[in-house]
Amino acid sequence: DIQMTQSPSTLSASVGDRVTITCRASQNINSWLAWYQQKPGTAPKLLIYKTSTLEAEVPSRFSGSGSGTEFTLTISSLQPDDFATYFCQHYKNYPYTFGQGTKLEIK
Amino acid sequence: QVQLVQSGVELKKPGASVKVSCRASGYAFSNFPVTWVRQVHGQGLEWLGWIGPSNGDTRFSHKVQDRITMTADTSTNTVYMELRSLRYDDTAVYYCGRGGGVIDPWGQGTLVTVSS
Repeated sequence: DIQMTQSPSTLSASVGDRVTITCRASQNINSWLAWYQQKPGTAPKLLIYKTSTLEAEVPSRFSGSGSGTEFTLTISSLQPDDFATYFCQHYKNYPYTFGQGTKLEIK
Repeated sequence: QVQLVQSGVELKKPGASVKVSCRASGYAFSNFPVTWVRQVHGQGLEWLGWIGPSNGDTRFSHKVQDRITMTADTSTNTVYMELRSLRYDDTAVYYCGRGGGVIDPWGQGTLVTVSS
């Protein structure tokens, strides 16, 4: 199975900050990577797929990059609505595993 | 709009089975797989598998493949996930979602608690 490792596990930041979350795969997943945002008590929401393609209606302050085994999710200017937990997921081969999550907290 | 609505909270004893439903609307049901994912409280997401409603094709996680069944009813646009021989560590919120790789959107989740 492909292991997905996110860093950091927790990130404290302020409104307006630029933040980056990293996701590393234990083997090459090409560009088959998605990012989800989850707020407490709700289901995850798709933000980005195929590494860098923004889902419809996702604000342009979110961006994704990378290939192979290392990927990043960047939020260019944090907004209050962005404080949540973020998960990466590969879909290269079965099983489609998730990272352990990065909790983005208000500093 | 595309929507997936899941069945309600379940409380089961160890060794029992649970069957969770996921009713889809707002899109061509047969054209998209439906994936199931679970989340233990406060923890990460675990991919369980998916089903293709048009032909019943399935893919499962190794961890649950001996205990899980997924079925689809195209007459009601509903997918079912049944997990058997429940254990305490099966306690989690179970989500369905449209898609076989990328999941979008997700159902609201169903809490399954396994307790004696």
